[in-house]
Amino acid sequence: GAGVSQSPRYKVAKRGQDVALRCDPISGHVSLFWYQQALGQGPEFLTYFQNEAQLDKSGLPSDRFFAERPEGSVSTLKIQRTQQEDSAVYLCASSLNLNTEAFFGQGTRLTVV
Amino acid sequence: QQQVKQSPQSLIVQKGGISIINCAYENTAFDYFPWYQQFPGKGPALLIAIRPDVSEKKEGRFTISFNKSAKQFSLHIMDSQPGDSATYFCAGPVLGGGADGLTFGKGTHLIIQP
Repeated sequence: GAGVSQSPRYKVAKRGQDVALRCDPISGHVSLFWYQQALGQGPEFLTYFQNEAQLDKSGLPSDRFFAERPEGSVSTLKIQRTQQEDSAVYLCASSLNLNTEAFFGQGTRLTVV
Repeated sequence: QQQVKQSPQSLIVQKGGISIINCAYENTAFDYFPWYQQFPGKGPALLIAIRPDVSEKKEGRFTISFNKSAKQFSLHIMDSQPGDSATYFCAGPVLGGGADGLTFGKGTHLIIQP
């Protein structure tokens, strides 16, 4: 595709509900990143994939957060038992390889009520 | 703790003026210093980036100045235009080098008045 595509664009979840956020990276991009951006703040690194391998998940805030990229392309960020503090924009980025520019999607705005 | 600290939080500049945003970093292992531009409802987009082997990089109206000894780098926007109104983030690498996995500053909300 032309850019990084994320879906849904907006998600409202009731507290305790599980959610799944999808990221379609730019075709051929090896590296994929997830970030969380709270209102009025900078993006915060969550996790990083190189192809299907999750090389760093140190930024995931709790064990309720889980990310996968089983075939080295599309990635899903899953949040179990959502809490109000999970409300944020979740950004996905991809890059061709190491040490190359990362391109961001428009994000998924998650609101937990 | 925050690894990159940027200032000011918000900035208002008249059209045609120079916008200056500053960033200080902690980790001396950083070797990649980008600035990102973000419009409302959009993801961040890379504006300009510098490696520490040079002290300045210019691309059109945008210039990065880098001071390794002070652990600071800044963004200068010359001839600022209303279309430059956005939030700007400086960043440094989380993964110890290169352009992968970034730690961002809290952002500067820039308004260019016509």
